[in-house]
Amino acid sequence: RKEVEQDPGPFNVPEGATVAFNCTYSNSASQSFFWYRQDCRKEPKLLMSVYSSGNEDGRFTAQLNRASQYISLLIRDSKLSDSATYLCVVNGAGGSYIPTFGRGTSLIVHP
Amino acid sequence: GAVVSQHPSWVICKSGTSVKIECRSLDFQATTMFWYRQFPKQSLMLMATSNEGSKATYEQGVEKDKFLINHASLTLSTLTVTSAHPEDSSFYICSATPGLYSYEQYFGPGTRLTVT
Repeated sequence: RKEVEQDPGPFNVPEGATVAFNCTYSNSASQSFFWYRQDCRKEPKLLMSVYSSGNEDGRFTAQLNRASQYISLLIRDSKLSDSATYLCVVNGAGGSYIPTFGRGTSLIVHP
Repeated sequence: GAVVSQHPSWVICKSGTSVKIECRSLDFQATTMFWYRQFPKQSLMLMATSNEGSKATYEQGVEKDKFLINHASLTLSTLTVTSAHPEDSSFYICSATPGLYSYEQYFGPGTRLTVT
């Protein structure tokens, strides 16, 4: 089993749709969780951290389920500009700073 | 805040030459920097973890003598690809964490290396 798994997609949704991605992780000792966004041929950009209590930033909501060892990202009212690859990152197991990236989930928002 | 720069943004070199890539944290001190490479349509692959003032820790399968990493200050890490070959052509990205207790990473814009 891979340490961090994501459905590669692509998720093809119309503008205005709500879409959700999940990311599972294998190390139960992981402490920190993030979602990054990567546009084609660009560097990843931090989208949001994921906390146990869940967090929301505008149209984006991230949640952590420690019992089932997954994090989720919900995007409401999708925009064309949301089209990108969304990377899940997990680290902090055993105090390690070494990040583990998922392979990314591709989102395509169409008119 | 939390801006990371990389230089050069792209480089073309001939086989056998060496290329140095710089990664700088512009507005924070980075005790830890990471170096990644990414092939088209593939995920990021961590190459090494660089801590200021100490030797880099390389991931399995990454040749430390080929990819020389130096982290001489809290704001600068360099990656030198020595004796470059066409198969080293890739997108190299660095990232930095802003604090001892922070796991958030901020990425540089990447360097696209083409070896002819």
